[in-house]
Amino acid sequence: NAGVMQNPRHLVRRRGQEARLRCSPMKGHSHVYWYRQLPEEGLKFMVYLQKENIIDESGMPKERFSAEFPKEGPSILRIQQVVRGDSAAYFCASSPLGTSGVKETQYFGPGTRLLVL
Amino acid sequence: GESVGLHLPTLSVQEGDNSIINCAYSNSASDYFIWYKQESGKGPQFIIDIRSNMDKRQGQRVTVLLNKTVKHLSLQIAATQPGDSAVYFCAEIPKGYSSASKIIFGSGTRLSIRP
Repeated sequence: NAGVMQNPRHLVRRRGQEARLRCSPMKGHSHVYWYRQLPEEGLKFMVYLQKENIIDESGMPKERFSAEFPKEGPSILRIQQVVRGDSAAYFCASSPLGTSGVKETQYFGPGTRLLVL
Repeated sequence: GESVGLHLPTLSVQEGDNSIINCAYSNSASDYFIWYKQESGKGPQFIIDIRSNMDKRQGQRVTVLLNKTVKHLSLQIAATQPGDSAVYFCAEIPKGYSSASKIIFGSGTRLSIRP
């Protein structure tokens, strides 16, 4: 069973360009999460999605950032008009559909390192 | 506000000794805690978790202790090996969230092993 897959692993963009990060969850997992990590810091929650639904986007910047998890295909984190402050590692995690009251473990992908020049 | 912090940013341990990594949390409403290990260039890897109705849980070479009175969490690694070198994060999921919810991460402790 393959783990969470993310691509690209490294992405370089110039200021003002768009960045598209892709995440394929583990087989059988219906929940996807995106986190951002700055150097020497912990991960910060951005957004939680299920198929075709955004469940919690409380950690997502209000502008330029968007996420989707379509019925078919990977989840996409899209950053428009990137700025240098967007440079970070972006991690995707997935978890299965849990029963009520059970906190399911999230499994993380290898991350996409975004560098904005 | 919610925060999960660590007492020490770096920890150096002799190979074969036991390692203890500490973590303080401020959200007394959290009911689920997790330790993750992150090696350089990789994503966080689940190590062990503990629910708030427990004070100790053991895994293979690892033990997590939870002291709710002082809001303190620790990870003990027995017989530390070179492969244990990584950054370790404590994390929490606040009470009241659904079965799948966001994880709140601490800032991490870097564990280095001396030969």
